[in-house]
Amino acid sequence: KAGVTQTPRYLIKTRGQQVTLSCSPISGHRSVSWYQQTPGQGLQFLFEYFSETQRNKGNFPGRFSGRQFSNSRSEMNVSTLELGDSALYLCASRDGGNTIYFGEGSWLTVV
Amino acid sequence: AQRVTQPEKLLSVFKGAPVELKCNYSYSGSPELFWYVQYSRQRLQLLLRHISRESIKGFTADLNKGETSFHLKKPFAQEEDSAMYYCALSAGGTSYGKLTFGQGTILTVHP
Repeated sequence: KAGVTQTPRYLIKTRGQQVTLSCSPISGHRSVSWYQQTPGQGLQFLFEYFSETQRNKGNFPGRFSGRQFSNSRSEMNVSTLELGDSALYLCASRDGGNTIYFGEGSWLTVV
Repeated sequence: AQRVTQPEKLLSVFKGAPVELKCNYSYSGSPELFWYVQYSRQRLQLLLRHISRESIKGFTADLNKGETSFHLKKPFAQEEDSAMYYCALSAGGTSYGKLTFGQGTILTVHP
C-alpha cells in the first residue's frame, strides 16, 4: 500500500497570501488529521476529519481550515499568512485499529 | 487539558548501555499512550503503544498510572537507535485521531 502522500512538499509564500495543502491518506483509511511542527512549539494538532466531517479541532485561529472529500483525501488552507505560520505541516491517516500513519509533510516558508 | 512532558531534550549513551527516555503526562481520564520515532530523513512512525504491551526493536514501555509516566526503555542501545523520539497521548474514543505530543528527545548512541 502507498503511504500517506502530501503535496506540495515545499513551498514559499508571501505574508498575506493563502495556501492550500493536500493529503492523500492510505487507501481505506477514513480519518485524516493535520499537525503543525515548529522548532519552538513542537508538534501541535490542527484538526481531524472523519468521513468528511470535522471531528476534532486544535487551538488554532480561524485562518486555519480544512476539509475532507468523499474519497477521504483532505486539504488544509491557511489564509492571510503570517511569518509565524512557517512550519512543517504533517498529515496523518488512521486505520481501523487506531494506528496513525504520518506523511512526510509539506514545508511552508512564509516570507 | 492534556499535557505530555519529555524532560530531556537530548540524551547520549554509548552502544550497549541501557537507555531510558522519560515521559510524563497529565490527563484526567484514561489515556492511550504512544511512542513515535523519527529517524534521520524519514517520516514519523509509530514505535509502540501501551495497550499492545509488546517489545519493538528491543524497546518496551510500561504505563504507570500512579506516577502518570510512560517511560521508554531498552537494555542495550544500538547505534541505529539514534533518532528523535516523541511520546504522545490520545484521549481515545472519538479523539483517537488527536494526539498530544511531548517536545521530543533526541537520542544519540555513540559507538
